[in-house]
Amino acid sequence: DAGVIQSPRHEVTEMGQEVTLRCKPISGHNSLFWYRQTMMRGLELLIYFNNNVPIDDSGMPEDRFSAKMPNASFSTLKIQPSEPRDSAVYFCASSLAKRESQQYFGPGTRLTVT
Amino acid sequence: RKEVEQDPGPFNVPEGATVAFNCTYSNSASQSFFWYRQDCRKEPKLLMSVYSSGNEDGRFTAQLNRASQYISLLIRDSKLSDSATYLCVVNREGSARQLTFGSGTQLTVLP
Repeated sequence: DAGVIQSPRHEVTEMGQEVTLRCKPISGHNSLFWYRQTMMRGLELLIYFNNNVPIDDSGMPEDRFSAKMPNASFSTLKIQPSEPRDSAVYFCASSLAKRESQQYFGPGTRLTVT
Repeated sequence: RKEVEQDPGPFNVPEGATVAFNCTYSNSASQSFFWYRQDCRKEPKLLMSVYSSGNEDGRFTAQLNRASQYISLLIRDSKLSDSATYLCVVNREGSARQLTFGSGTQLTVLP
């Protein structure tokens, strides 16, 4: 079975450019999470969707970040405009919407903003 | 105070050794506890859930002390392949499904 799919795996862009990260959750999973991981701050939850609806976006750092989930099999995280401090690994994870359900992570997108 | 605190290590142990990691959490109402493993430049993967009565999975034993808000992971007879970062994970305050990850403890098992 396919796991969580993320694209691109690596992205290098210049400051000020728009960046779009993509995620396809595991089929049948109805919860989706976007995380950011850096050495300094560890793994941080950015936003959480349940049944395609954003439930908690309190972790989104600022208005430059936006996330959408137009259907159950696709989500995007957009950064516009990007800044060097956005450089990090961005993970998407999905799970079944029940308590203690395991979260399955995608391979991540390594973003470098120069 | 961080929601989940771990000793970052690194722990460098010889093959066959027993090693223990500890973690404390701040939310006394937390109900879900996990250990995740993250290999270098890879995604986190669930190692095991942690139950109130303690639980074992092969060489791995997890324990929970709710009174002290403390979680532990014991690895017996460590293998080279156990080298990784181990993340302590607790459900976020007010949410059963959102998780808070500790910063991780790095383990290197030496031949």
